[in-house]
Amino acid sequence: AQSVSQHNHHVILSEAASLELGCNYSYGGTVNLFWYVQYPGQHLQLLLKYFSGDPLVKGIKGFEAEFIKSKFSFNLRKPSVQWSDTAEYFCAVNRMDSSYKLIFGSGTRLLVRP
Amino acid sequence: GAGVSQTPSNKVTEKGKYVELRCDPISGHTALYWYRQSLGQGPEFLIYFQGTGAADDSGLPNDRFFAVRPEGSVSTLKIQRTERGDSAVYLCASSLSGGATGGADTQYFGPGTRLTVL
Repeated sequence: AQSVSQHNHHVILSEAASLELGCNYSYGGTVNLFWYVQYPGQHLQLLLKYFSGDPLVKGIKGFEAEFIKSKFSFNLRKPSVQWSDTAEYFCAVNRMDSSYKLIFGSGTRLLVRP
Repeated sequence: GAGVSQTPSNKVTEKGKYVELRCDPISGHTALYWYRQSLGQGPEFLIYFQGTGAADDSGLPNDRFFAVRPEGSVSTLKIQRTERGDSAVYLCASSLSGGATGGADTQYFGPGTRLTVL
């Protein structure tokens, strides 16, 4: 069965530190890739998505992610985090043959200390 | 504009009872999804509606779970004979056109209903 792995369950950073959250998926076919974020007390919202083209995708709030097909990875990055980035981050994948169905990772809780 | 809304925000029930969870999608969105999120996990797919019909209900855990979307807008997730293991946050999402775009649609999520079965 297809799965999505997020290896870091909890990350703690100081403001201005750089962030990289790992995401790997296990499906050999064509996929679409997503990062969703859930701020405290809020609902899930889309941070960025990749469908095709440039494997480096830029999203909202200075986030970016790089799709590396050979590594089945879609890591999320931000050069300098802010306290307001404290949230839970979910990587998700859908397959082209069942593209309505998002498969989520278990999430990474990020705490940014001021 | 208005996002996806879900009611109630919290529901506490006793084992064996019946519950209904409601989802109001974004106006004009033909695709609607239900997911379930257990503690410490990411959301898990339950069912996908395209218009009024359930295009894929393969994620429903068993026949105690059922969902409807009779007019192609509001959807209700129904759980019969609730069990303690059903306790979770039930998320609803909607998108403009669903799988027809090859997955290019963005799914917009609601705030969820937290179900607690005692």
